[in-house]
Amino acid sequence: NAGVTQTPKFRILKIGQSMTLQCTQDMNHNYMYWYRQDPGMGLKLIYYSVGAGITDKGEVPNGYNVSRSTTEDFPLRLELAAPSQTSVYFCASSASNQPQHFGDGTRLSIL
Amino acid sequence: EDKVVQSPLSLVVHEGDTVTLNCSYEVTNFRSLLWYKQEKKAPTFLFMLTSSGIEKKSGRLSSILDKKELSSILNITATQTGDSAIYLCAVVLPNTGNQFYFGTGTSLTVIP
Repeated sequence: NAGVTQTPKFRILKIGQSMTLQCTQDMNHNYMYWYRQDPGMGLKLIYYSVGAGITDKGEVPNGYNVSRSTTEDFPLRLELAAPSQTSVYFCASSASNQPQHFGDGTRLSIL
Repeated sequence: EDKVVQSPLSLVVHEGDTVTLNCSYEVTNFRSLLWYKQEKKAPTFLFMLTSSGIEKKSGRLSSILDKKELSSILNITATQTGDSAIYLCAVVLPNTGNQFYFGTGTSLTVIP
């Protein structure tokens, strides 16, 4: 079972570049989430979605955008990369009131 | 403001020791509290607690919720080097689209 799949695993960007972090899940979960995790810190919610076509901001949405055109996919877009966005990004999905399943993360460095 | 606070921030113990990790939260109305273990990569689910006073157990790990004290503990007995990880606590609030609020985690290191 694939679960939650994130691509790429690693990426280095230059300041001002843009990129999309991909996330797909095969568990038919309605809820999907994007987190960032900085060194020594917990998970901060960037955006989440309660179903296809519906997205909402989390704690730290600035500098990011998301879309949810299908139940399976929840890409995260960085439009103008900044050094402050250097982090590890995790995508997760869940059913209602059930534990989240996480992808393996994307390590992003912006230089 | 931090909704979920974990303590200690880090802990170093010897194999065989018993450890207790704490999670306190500032909200009085929540749906559930979860514990996760994070090693090199993604957090993996340990326990979900919804009722106060009922212990959940899995092997050497156990956890209990105290809604009166707004806290939860995670116990690990007879620790092994494989228990070395960051342990994360999260609270799920109602009417928030199933949002999870995570604490900063406790980093546990078990030395042989």
